[in-house]
Amino acid sequence: QSVLTQPPSASGTPGQRVTMSCSGSSSNIGSNTVNWYQQLPGTAPKLLIYSNNQRPSGVPDRFSGSKSGTSASLAISGLQSEDEADYYCAAWDDSLNGPLFGGGTKVTVL
Amino acid sequence: QVQLVQSGAEVKKPGASVKVSCKASGYKFTSYAMQWVRQAPGQRLEWMGWIDGGNGNTKYSQKFQGRVTITRGTSASTAYMELSSLRSEDTAVYYCARARVGVMPLDYWGQGTLVTVSS
Repeated sequence: QSVLTQPPSASGTPGQRVTMSCSGSSSNIGSNTVNWYQQLPGTAPKLLIYSNNQRPSGVPDRFSGSKSGTSASLAISGLQSEDEADYYCAAWDDSLNGPLFGGGTKVTVL
Repeated sequence: QVQLVQSGAEVKKPGASVKVSCKASGYKFTSYAMQWVRQAPGQRLEWMGWIDGGNGNTKYSQKFQGRVTITRGTSASTAYMELSSLRSEDTAVYYCARARVGVMPLDYWGQGTLVTVSS
């Protein structure tokens, strides 16, 4: 069974840079692009990064994504209080023949 | 602007079925797929299936095969997700999300529908 693995938590003080990882396999990250979603408490996920490193219109350039092999990462630079949320990585999985999501990383702004 | 508006919260008894609707606006419904994803309390997002808004073809996650049915009404630009034989573990927020057929990303999401299964 395919899995995307994320660390459960990350934290930083305002202005700091925070990074989080997403580890997959050849059937998902290794062969497809990675997307990242931000989920604020009680709301629906919002697309943050698509195609590994592209930002939809309106997403601040403080958010950046990268991918290497079967892993990906999301970085938030200049951390702000409103960035406190859950962040999910996602990729198409060829075995599932559908989207696969990571377990999420909860970002806390100290 | 793209909007996906879902039906309201539901409370169901174990063994019952639930049908959630997702009305799309702001884009051509038949040019995209509608994905369905659920999130149980404190759990990760879990893909359930999708429907091609154009030809109505569907693809379901093996986990839900036989219990989930996704349909669409093109004239109303609405997608529906029906889940049967409900059990307590199906208590979750159910989301619809737009995507191009067979690819990611899921770029716009509905607001979510809470389905509670309880005796």
